[in-house]
Amino acid sequence: DIQMTQSPSSLSASVGDRVTITCRASQSISRYLNWYQQKPGKAPKLLIYAASSLQSGVPSRFSGSGSGTDFTLTISSLQPEDFATYYCQQSHSSPYTFGQGTTLEIK
Amino acid sequence: EVQLVQSGAEVKKPGESLQISCKGSGYSFTSYWIGWVRQMPGKGLEWMGIIYLGDSDTRYSPSFQGQVTISVDKSISTAYLQWSSLKASDSAMYYCVSWGGGWNGMDVWGQGTTVTVSS
Repeated sequence: DIQMTQSPSSLSASVGDRVTITCRASQSISRYLNWYQQKPGKAPKLLIYAASSLQSGVPSRFSGSGSGTDFTLTISSLQPEDFATYYCQQSHSSPYTFGQGTTLEIK
Repeated sequence: EVQLVQSGAEVKKPGESLQISCKGSGYSFTSYWIGWVRQMPGKGLEWMGIIYLGDSDTRYSPSFQGQVTISVDKSISTAYLQWSSLKASDSAMYYCVSWGGGWNGMDVWGQGTTVTVSS
């Protein structure tokens, strides 16, 4: 299985901050990397697919980059509604594993 | 509108069997994969497995192989997740999610089904 490792596990930030979350795959996954946002009691929501493609309807302050084994999710200017947990997921090969999640908290 | 609607919350005893469902609407169901994801209370997302609705090609995560069965009934656009003998450790939220394959992300999620297993 491909292991996905996110860092940090948690992050405190303020509204307006720029934040970056990283995700590392245990082997090359090309650009088969997705990012999801999950709020308490809700299903995950797709933000970014194919490493850097913004899902329709997702604000442009979210962006993704990377290829191979190293990827990043950046939120350019945090908004109150962005405080949530974020997960990366590889869709290169089954099983389509997730990272352990990064919880973004209000400072 | 494309959507996946899951069956309702379940409360079961250890050793009982269970099947939960995920019904798709608003798109060509048989051109997609449906995956299942477990989320234990307070924990992260765990990939369980996936089924291709066109030919029922099924791929399980090794962690869940032999523990659950994923199936589909194309005639009613519904995928299923089944246990033959539940354990307390199966208590979790279960989500279904659709995937078009390739570079697509997994963009349509069901609302989740809570399974509680307790004696």
